[in-house]
Order: sequence, then C-alpha cells, then structure tokens
Amino acid sequence: NAGVTQTPKFRILKIGQSMTLQCTQDMNHNYMYWYRQDPGMGLKLIYYSVGAGITDKGEVPNGYNVSRSTTEDFPLRLELAAPSQTSVYFCASSPPTGTNTEAFFGQGTRLTVV
Amino acid sequence: GNSVTQMEGPVTLSEEAFLTINCTYTATGYPSLFWYVQYPGEGLQLLLKATKADDKGSNKGFEATYRKETTSFHLEKGSVQVSDSAVYFCALTRPPYQLIWGAGTKLIIKP
Repeated sequence: NAGVTQTPKFRILKIGQSMTLQCTQDMNHNYMYWYRQDPGMGLKLIYYSVGAGITDKGEVPNGYNVSRSTTEDFPLRLELAAPSQTSVYFCASSPPTGTNTEAFFGQGTRLTVV
Repeated sequence: GNSVTQMEGPVTLSEEAFLTINCTYTATGYPSLFWYVQYPGEGLQLLLKATKADDKGSNKGFEATYRKETTSFHLEKGSVQVSDSAVYFCALTRPPYQLIWGAGTKLIIKP
C-alpha cells in the first residue's frame, strides 16, 4: 500500500538550475496538492489539482509550475532555482467526498538551493 | 478570512505529564477541524478530526473537542510518552479543496 510517493527525498541545486519533484499516488484520488514547509512555519499551498488536466495556483505559486496529465501523477517543476526556494516540499492527495476528508501526505523532499 | 492560530513551541514535558496544545480558529461557515502529526523525517499524518460543533475526535490517547462558542480545538492527552515527540499541526477546511494550517507546535517529551 504505497499511498503518496515523492522523489527525490533530498536534493541540492545551484542557483539558476531547474528540477522536477515527482509525486505519484495509487489511491485514485482526484485532488492533489503541493505544499512547502519552511522552518518553524506551517504549510503553504503552492499549486493544487482537482483532476487530470486541471491545475490552479495556491498561495505561493511564483517560481513553480505543475502539470496533471494523469490521475496518479502531479510533478512540480522549478525552472530557475533561487535560495528562497530552499524548503521541504510535500505532495498530498485527497478524495473529493466532502470537506471533512483526510489528506494523505508523501514523506517530503528536502531541497537546498545554494 | 479563515485562519488557524496555535500555541508556540517547543513544548517540553516529562513522560506521563498531561498535555494541552491550544488551537483557535477564525472561519466563516462550519469548517471541519483536524490535528495532524509529523514525526521526525516523515510527512504529515492525520491524528484526529471533528466535523461539527461539540464533536470530539480521538486517537492514540489524544482528544480534541470542536468548540464553536470559543472557536477552539485544543489537543489533549492524559499521559504523554517519549514516542509522542513530534510536531503537531492544527488545520481547518476551506471548501472545496483547501486546508488552512497552523504554524505547528513542536512537542518534546523527556524520559
């Protein structure tokens, strides 16, 4: 029972480099999310998706892009890495069965931009 | 707008002590309320939830009651263990898809 799987777990990027954080879920959830968690802070929503082919911006989308070509996958792209993007990134998913449903999280990707 | 305020951490307790982590919220309508826990090096996982006023969520000895009159959802446990050391997040729903998060409270339990 894999749940939500994120790769890689750790990554160091140089300023200006690009990378894709991978996220896949095997629970057939419609809703998927990308969050960032800065030290001592809560979670900030970067992008979300309510189904394949549909994505929308969250609170802090600048510097990121996403796509949702399948129900299972929701990759997050950083085009020009900046030190301000140093953070822990979490992918999550949830079923669209009402507002009291649980969100399931991946184990996170710790990204450092130097 | 909707928001969640948690007590600042870290909270340091001895094993078997009583735990309270405060959480208050502002919201329109009737959101559902959640406590999530994050163990070191892991993602967040749901600890308990409550979907309407006066509901009590409970799991693993933790409890929280949805108090609409005080807009609170405080987390309690009668006797904490070292294994409870983690970061605890309070959250509420903003329909149709979003969770609004508190900043998290780090809990340290000393043997």
